[in-house]
Amino acid sequence: KAGVTQTPRYLIKTRGQQVTLSCSPISGHRSVSWYQQTPGQGLQFLFEYFSETQRNKGNFPGRFSGRQFSNSRSEMNVSTLELGDSALYLCASHPAEAWDTQYFGPGTRLTVL
Amino acid sequence: AQTVTQSQPEMSVQEAETVTLSCTYDTSESDYYLFWYKQPPSRQMILVIRQEAYKQQNATENRFSVNFQKAAKSFSLKISDSQLGDAAMYFCAYRYAGGTSYGKLTFGQGTILTVHP
Repeated sequence: KAGVTQTPRYLIKTRGQQVTLSCSPISGHRSVSWYQQTPGQGLQFLFEYFSETQRNKGNFPGRFSGRQFSNSRSEMNVSTLELGDSALYLCASHPAEAWDTQYFGPGTRLTVL
Repeated sequence: AQTVTQSQPEMSVQEAETVTLSCTYDTSESDYYLFWYKQPPSRQMILVIRQEAYKQQNATENRFSVNFQKAAKSFSLKISDSQLGDAAMYFCAYRYAGGTSYGKLTFGQGTILTVHP
């Protein structure tokens, strides 16, 4: 099976812009979680989607949003970008019948100038 | 709130030797999962090993094993016969098994492991 894919792998944006990142889970996996990784804050949970519904959300401002499509692909959007949003954004997929193990994609490196 | 602490920012080991990475966690829950993930320079997070809290037996995956001490809330990773490819950042992670935790892993700060030839 193909692994989790994320596009694009690298992005450069300027402050005030918005960005959309995409994540395609492993075939058959219905849940997708998103994480932000920064040197200062480490790995932090953003949100989780299952069957097109957000089931859990981390402590991030409303500028961070996401959605999931019927084919389980997920997108996350960050509006009004700030310098502090520069990070590696990781998504992870997990099968509905084994929620305890998450498989990660390679990440999207976002740089905000 | 659950927290995960990795007290060793960096560790080093000689090739073929054994190294142990430490992790402690804080939770009031009794049913949860613990994980070790490896993140090499490529940044791809790779699952190394997982442990179910209700299992007393320590998990083992080839050269990787854990020492799970539930009462002490300790979860260390032992890497035997270290190889150059083991060099990476290692993260300890916790997930509550209850429904309200949907998809949320709580990570430690990470330990950078260097393997010397």
